[in-house]
Amino acid sequence: DAGVTQSPTHLIKTRGQQVTLRCSPISGHKSVSWYQQVLGQGPQFIFQYYEKEERGRGNFPDRFSARQFPNYSSELNVNALLLGDSALYLCASSLLPTGNYQPQHFGDGTRLSIL
Amino acid sequence: AQSVAQPEDQVNVAEGNPLTVKCTYSVSGNPYLFWYVQYPNRGLQFLLKYITGDNLVKGSYGFEAEFNKSQTSFHLKKPSALVSDSALYFCAAYNNAGNMLTFGGGTRLMVKP
Repeated sequence: DAGVTQSPTHLIKTRGQQVTLRCSPISGHKSVSWYQQVLGQGPQFIFQYYEKEERGRGNFPDRFSARQFPNYSSELNVNALLLGDSALYLCASSLLPTGNYQPQHFGDGTRLSIL
Repeated sequence: AQSVAQPEDQVNVAEGNPLTVKCTYSVSGNPYLFWYVQYPNRGLQFLLKYITGDNLVKGSYGFEAEFNKSQTSFHLKKPSALVSDSALYFCAAYNNAGNMLTFGGGTRLMVKP
């Protein structure tokens, strides 16, 4: 079975632009989470979605938004890009919703560079 | 607020020797703890988890972790290191709602032949 797939793998944008990152979870997984990993640091939680509803939100500005589709895929949108948004953006999926403490399975990420 | 700490930025070990990667946590309520490994230009791979039960948890690729409630630690161990174990290792904990993983800063493991 395919794992978590993310697209694109790399992206270069300039300050002030907007970007959309995409994620397809493992087949059968209904929960999708997004993380930001700045170089040299651990991943930071951005959002979790389950059944198209936001179930958790990390400490990120409103420039960050996400949504989940009926097929459980998800998009992360970032507006008004800043240099500090340069990072590896990771998507993770899990079988069950919140409170079940399931392992999350990660994609290989989208490397976003802001010039 | 909960937190996860990995006190060592890098751990060096010779191939064949035992390895330990340290992790301490601060959470309210019961801890739900994980170890992940990250290879260059890749996402995170799940190694093992502690939810409840035995304090020694066995995981993938020969790794195990020891949960110590009194020391609030969850150290990753392997009896005999391989060069291929060289990677970035992350310890993580779920919050009480189970919807957010908090990660430590990561420890780079270097296994030398």
